[in-house]
Amino acid sequence: QVQLQESGPGLVKPSQTLSLTCTVSGDSISSGYYYWSWIRQPAGRGLEWIGRIFTYGTTNYNSSLKSRVAISLDTSNNQFSLNLSSVTAADTAVYYCARGNSGYHYGYSYFYMDVWGKGTTITVSS
Amino acid sequence: QSVVTQPPSASETPGQRVTISCSGSNFNIQTTPISWYQRLPGAAPKLLIYNNNQRPSGVPDRFSGSKSDTAASLAISGLQSEDEADYFCAVWDDSLKGVVFGGGTKLSVL
Repeated sequence: QVQLQESGPGLVKPSQTLSLTCTVSGDSISSGYYYWSWIRQPAGRGLEWIGRIFTYGTTNYNSSLKSRVAISLDTSNNQFSLNLSSVTAADTAVYYCARGNSGYHYGYSYFYMDVWGKGTTITVSS
Repeated sequence: QSVVTQPPSASETPGQRVTISCSGSNFNIQTTPISWYQRLPGAAPKLLIYNNNQRPSGVPDRFSGSKSDTAASLAISGLQSEDEADYFCAVWDDSLKGVVFGGGTKLSVL
């Protein structure tokens, strides 16, 4: 059974870079054709997709965050990471990592996330 | 305002059926399969429906999904108190080249 667990600093100062890691257990991050994703939810608001990285390194990012986001794989430790630069209070949220599946369904490209971590709370404050 | 919209709340009594809608456009719902997620209080989101109407193993058949044109629906029949949760739809948007989530619907089981 695949499990994901986020880890991070909890508190980040404004203008700094937020770094989060998602540790994958129960399967190798480099096996299969999965997209490893980050999603966040600010308090009182809906879910926001941050971006994803394919098993072989291709990335896609939310256009509203693209200039500040980088997602990378660490296959030796079976982890993937999120770096979000120049953070502000608006980046305060619960951050989730998830495994994404992609393919074709009746000719249409699909994407869904089937395994999620429990989430980690990040507060941006001085 | 989200590209994909959901009603912020819904409510129904135990044993009844409720539907939650998700409205989008020809860039997302009309052209790509939709998924639905349940987030119980204090828990991580859980995949309920993928590819419009497919249930992962372990999800009861009380949950069903459908799609027509630029709108999709999640139906929950035989409502139980433990179904009280937030429900989100999500879909790939071909214009934004990314995943968009609906704003979420808070379901109350009265």
